[in-house]
Amino acid sequence: ETGVTQSPTHLIKTRGQQVTLRCSSQSGHNTVSWYQQALGQGPQFIFQYYREEENGRGNFPPRFSGLQFPNYSSELNVNALELDDSALYLCASSTQRGLSYNEQFFGPGTRLTVL
Amino acid sequence: AQSVSQHNHHVILSEAASLELGCNYSYGGTVNLFWYVQYPGQHLQLLLKYFSGDPLVKGIKGFEAEFIKSKFSFNLRKPSVQWSDTAEYFCAPSARGGADGLTFGKGTHLIIQP
Repeated sequence: ETGVTQSPTHLIKTRGQQVTLRCSSQSGHNTVSWYQQALGQGPQFIFQYYREEENGRGNFPPRFSGLQFPNYSSELNVNALELDDSALYLCASSTQRGLSYNEQFFGPGTRLTVL
Repeated sequence: AQSVSQHNHHVILSEAASLELGCNYSYGGTVNLFWYVQYPGQHLQLLLKYFSGDPLVKGIKGFEAEFIKSKFSFNLRKPSVQWSDTAEYFCAPSARGGADGLTFGKGTHLIIQP
């Protein structure tokens, strides 16, 4: 069984640029969630994708957007990068299968630095 | 909106000491409750979970947690910690069946001294 993978591992961008982060969900999982983890903080929920549609969103501006593909992999796009966007971005996959719906399996994350 | 509070941000214990990490959440509906652990250099892993039934749940590596509905609490415990338990611990409630994701606490940085 392959776990959640993310790419790239690290990324450095400058303010105002755009970035795309990628995630492959764990085998058999159809739901992908993205989280932002600032240094010394717990992860914060950005949004969730199920069946290629966003079906839940946290308190993040529209410049944070995403996609989910038919194979359940996902992308997180951030436009007009700001210094505060520097963080570890985590992808988590899960299944919508009864009560196990919210049990999420996390990838290693992408460390984004905005200069 | 739900929120979660972890009372201990930094905890230092000696090996074989007992551990209890506090977690309180604020949410009016039915929740699923999770504790996740992040070992140094590794990704977040599920430690244990509560969905329903017996409020005392057991997880991996000897950890357990007790759900007390009246207190909106889900405290994590371990009778005897080991050096390998050094990690960051996160309490995370989630609305039952919702698509709002997990709401993580700020985490507790646990250091076990040999």
